[in-house]
Amino acid sequence: GENVEQHPSTLSVQEGDSAVIKCTYSDSASNYFPWYKQELGKRPQLIIDIRSNVGEKKDQRIAVTLNKTAKHFSLHITETQPEDSAVYFCAATLSTNAGKSTFGDGTTLTVKP
Amino acid sequence: NAGVTQTPKFQVLKTGQSMTLQCAQDMNHEYMSWYRQDPGMGLRLIHYSVGAGITDQGEVPNGYNVSRSTTEDFPLRLLSAAPSQTSVYFCASSQQRTSGNTIYFGEGSWLTVV
Repeated sequence: GENVEQHPSTLSVQEGDSAVIKCTYSDSASNYFPWYKQELGKRPQLIIDIRSNVGEKKDQRIAVTLNKTAKHFSLHITETQPEDSAVYFCAATLSTNAGKSTFGDGTTLTVKP
Repeated sequence: NAGVTQTPKFQVLKTGQSMTLQCAQDMNHEYMSWYRQDPGMGLRLIHYSVGAGITDQGEVPNGYNVSRSTTEDFPLRLLSAAPSQTSVYFCASSQQRTSGNTIYFGEGSWLTVV
């Protein structure tokens, strides 16, 4: 089955700095890579996703890059703000089986004002 | 539009007791799943269903049963609770499309087994 590794497990940055979270996956058949944000005590919510036919995708201050050859993908957050503080999860799956996603262990991001 | 609704939000069980976590979605999604979340271990798939009458095991299915009699409902049953099942449980639903699918999570159920 799929195995997803996520690094780092914790990340602390100053407000305004950039944050990068990296994930690797094992199953070359995976073609859908979403990122979820989970605030304390809340449910995970999708913030951005990328499909294997795309190398990069941006949405305002967040971006995701995908390297299919190396089987890794990354989340980039620019101009971080205190409200970006949360746990971020990456996942990998087949696009038709998103309900069966394999998640990374999560990264706790703390943005210091 | 309520999305994914799961109950109860908090529950304390004694070892050996059984209980059912309820989950319902009103988005007509084909896919429903149950995940558990433990500290430092991300979200792990317990069971999932691709439609009414069809269920399958995920990564950590032992000690849990599911059924999917309707598109809307996907209850998770703990047969004989154990302290190792203390966790936060999330029900989720998604559509099944080739373009990729957002997973919509319920608010979570905090379960403590003593």
